[in-house]
Amino acid sequence: GAVVSQHPSRVICKSGTSVKIECRSLDFQATTMFWYRQFPKQSLMLMATSNEGSKATYEQGVEKDKFLINHASLTLSTLTVTSAHPEDSSFYICSARDTRLAGGGGQYFGPGTRLTVL
Amino acid sequence: QKEVEQDPGPLSVPEGAIVSLNCTYSNSAFQYFMWYRQYSRKGPELLMYTYSSGNKEDGRFTAQVDKSSKYISLFIRDSQPSDSATYLCAIQTGANNLFFGTGTRLTVIP
Repeated sequence: GAVVSQHPSRVICKSGTSVKIECRSLDFQATTMFWYRQFPKQSLMLMATSNEGSKATYEQGVEKDKFLINHASLTLSTLTVTSAHPEDSSFYICSARDTRLAGGGGQYFGPGTRLTVL
Repeated sequence: QKEVEQDPGPLSVPEGAIVSLNCTYSNSAFQYFMWYRQYSRKGPELLMYTYSSGNKEDGRFTAQVDKSSKYISLFIRDSQPSDSATYLCAIQTGANNLFFGTGTRLTVIP
C-alpha cells in the first residue's frame, strides 16, 4: 500500500520555540495533504487542507499564523508550529491523497508526530 | 448533529469472538465508506473501503454498508489479541474531506 512518512516522530521543545514537521508521500504524488491533531482518547480533528502550490485552507478555530503550512511539492508538506506553548502539545498526523484515485480509499496517513512543549 | 456517530466503547471481547463495530451517518450524499485501524501512538491504517451498499470481505474483516439506513458496520471474525486497537469509521463525498467517527476502542482478551 501507499506509504506516508512523517519526521520527526517525536519532538520535545521549550515554550516559545518553533517546530517544523515534515510529511512525505513516498511512492505516490499527492496534490492534497491534510493535517490533523489528536488528543488522547479522542478522534482526529482536521486542522487544515494543504494543496500543492496554493495556500492551505484552515478549519474554523485553527490559527493560520500559528500553524504554518507549506505544500511545496507533490510529495512534501510541512507544518510549522510557531511559538509553541504547552497547550499545543498533541499528536499531529498528516494524510495524503493519492491523485490517481478519484474517490474514497485513496487517503493514507502518516505515523504521526508527538509534540511535547515544556 | 455530527456527520458521523460512532459508539466510543470501550469494547472488550474474548479471543475468537466475532466483533461488530458500527457507525451511523446523517448525509445521504456520502459516497465512500472506510474503516481505519489505529494502534496506540500510531497513525490510522486503512483497513477497508467501499462505495456501495452491501458487503465487502477481506480475510477476517467484512465491511457492510446500508445506505437506506445510513448505517455502516465492520465485522471481525475470529478476533485476535493483535486486533486490539481503536477502529475509526470514515465517510466521504467525492474528493472532499473525510468525516471521522470518534473511534471505538477494542480489546481482545487472550
